[in-house]
Amino acid sequence: ETGVTQTPRHLVMGMTNKKSLKCEQHLGHNAMYWYKQSAKKPLELMFVYSLEERVENNSVPSRFSPECPNSSHLFLHLHTLQPEDSALYLCASSNSDGYYGYTFGSGTRLTVV
Amino acid sequence: RKEVEQDPGPFNVPEGATVAFNCTYSNSASQSFFWYRQDCRKEPKLLMSVYSSGNEDGRFTAQLNRASQYISLLIRDSKLSDSATYLCNTGRRALTFGSGTRLQVQP
Repeated sequence: ETGVTQTPRHLVMGMTNKKSLKCEQHLGHNAMYWYKQSAKKPLELMFVYSLEERVENNSVPSRFSPECPNSSHLFLHLHTLQPEDSALYLCASSNSDGYYGYTFGSGTRLTVV
Repeated sequence: RKEVEQDPGPFNVPEGATVAFNCTYSNSASQSFFWYRQDCRKEPKLLMSVYSSGNEDGRFTAQLNRASQYISLLIRDSKLSDSATYLCNTGRRALTFGSGTRLQVQP
């Protein structure tokens, strides 16, 4: 596998469910990111991990919980979500300062019912 | 002021036209700049990188104007397949993206 891989591609969950999104990068990058993109809206940065340490958390509700066990893997744990959380969740990776740009995964399209 | 600002468009142009988008940024310390292309319901993909004054790749030219703090993307001989949203990014650690400029190339 190459690049940034996200699973699942699609997810439908109830408001009382708990689920996790997974991201894996095979690029040797040491920074990983979670983004949310709602329909016809800009990318919203959620979390930044650099060298497995969370360095940014953009006022994201606690029902979203990230985990970065190593520099290649990133998770987003979801619980008690709201319908307005339905969106495309994108993972990206880069070298530590993003100097050479960012590589995105294909995203998980999440629907909360 | 937002860190990165783009004209949202849409830009509707005929095939074969030349079109240009601008992206202004507020952080004068930014060292690298990028244009990404995002198709509907897909992830952004890196289109061009700019580290000094500019970069050219086929029909695409990106220019950097540090004095006025903007980057531009010029597309010559537009194709139908160029229809997409174009995002700019200053490559900062915070991963700051503009909201995107939508291009629609018409036959």
